[in-house]
Formats: sequence, C-alpha cells, structure tokens
Amino acid sequence: AQSVTQLDSHVSVSEGTPVLLRCNYSSSYSPSLFWYVQHPNKGLQLLLKYTSAATLVKGINGFEAEFKKSETSFHLTKPSAHMSDAAEYFCVVSDSSGTYKYIFGTGTRLKVLA
Amino acid sequence: NAGVTQTPKFQVLKTGQSMTLQCAQDMNHNSMYWYRQDPGMGLRLIYYSASEGTTDKGEVPNGYNVSRLNKREFSLRLESAAPSQTSVYFCASSEALQRYYEQYFGPGTRLTVT
Repeated sequence: AQSVTQLDSHVSVSEGTPVLLRCNYSSSYSPSLFWYVQHPNKGLQLLLKYTSAATLVKGINGFEAEFKKSETSFHLTKPSAHMSDAAEYFCVVSDSSGTYKYIFGTGTRLKVLA
Repeated sequence: NAGVTQTPKFQVLKTGQSMTLQCAQDMNHNSMYWYRQDPGMGLRLIYYSASEGTTDKGEVPNGYNVSRLNKREFSLRLESAAPSQTSVYFCASSEALQRYYEQYFGPGTRLTVT
C-alpha cells in the first residue's frame, strides 16, 4: 500500500536562508507525487507535481522538488525563504494501484523568522 | 472562474442535528472529493465521485452521505452530527481520477459540533 511520511512536523528558517522540507514515500508502483501549500484558514494550493517526466520539478514561487527513486524521497526546496512562505506544506502521493486517490502526509509547518 | 466553491464557510451544530455541505466547481471536472482535516492528521478522504452518477467510500465514510447532484455539484450530508465530526471539510475536484491530474481545493468549511 502507498504511504507518505513527512519527516518534520515543524521547520523554522530565517528569511533569506534555504528551505528544505522532507518527504519520503512508499509505493509499489510508479508514483505521482505532489506538494501543496496551505496558508492559514485557506484551502490547499498546488506547488508542483511529479508524474514520471523530469525528476527535478519546478513549481510556483521558486519552489522545486527532486524525485529520487533510490531514496524514495521527494523533498521540497527553495533557495531563499520569504516571510510569505510561512504556511503548512503537504506531500501527497497518488495511489497508483488503480484508484489514483490522494494519500496525504501529516504536514510540515514552516515558520520564517525575520 | 471561481474554481471550487463551498458553502457555508462556518457552521456550529448541536449533537444530533443534520446538515448538508455544498460544493460546486466550474472547471468542467469529472471527479470530485470530500476530505476532512484534523490537527496532525493531514487530510483524509471521506467520499469521492469519479464521474457524474458514481460515488464511492473513502477512508473515513462513517456518519456521512454524499450526492453527486450533477457534474458541477457534490454535496456532503451529516445525518446526525457527533462531536467527533468537528473538523474542517474540504471539497476538491480534478479533471479525472488519473495519476496525471492534480486536485483543486475549495476554501473549506469549519464545522463545530457541540
């Protein structure tokens, strides 16, 4: 069965420093992977997605993620954090065993310090 | 385009009361979903509709019913609300239930059951 683990529930960075949010997945099939962002009291917005094309995926607002099959990881990075990046981030794997339903990680709350 | 809209935004119910959460999308998507979000647990799928005329149970369907009214609308009903159903409810839609298609989320409904 597919699953996804977000390794940090909270991450704090200073404004202007790099961001790394870690995600590992488990899948018996070729997965599709997504990162979503949720700002306080808002819905979820897609940052980027991997669907078996290029392993380095670029998303909105300067975020990118690299699919590493050997490490079963899909970590989210950004070179320089902005205050507006403070939010909760969800890593999602699409169940590719037939139903393609989303399986969510438990989320990482990013705090950006001035 | 409004995307995915949900009504109401907030609701307080007493135990045993019933209510229906409404969701509509204007993107001509075939698939629609209902999730609940609880602290520390990510989003969990309640029900989904792969296409108009079909609905299926997700991970946590107990206590809920759904209706796919037409291609645009997908409602979630709580017949007899319980405090355990206090949560934030998100509706989402996607072009199809396939690995390449991302889901688009509504702004959520915050439900409190006392």
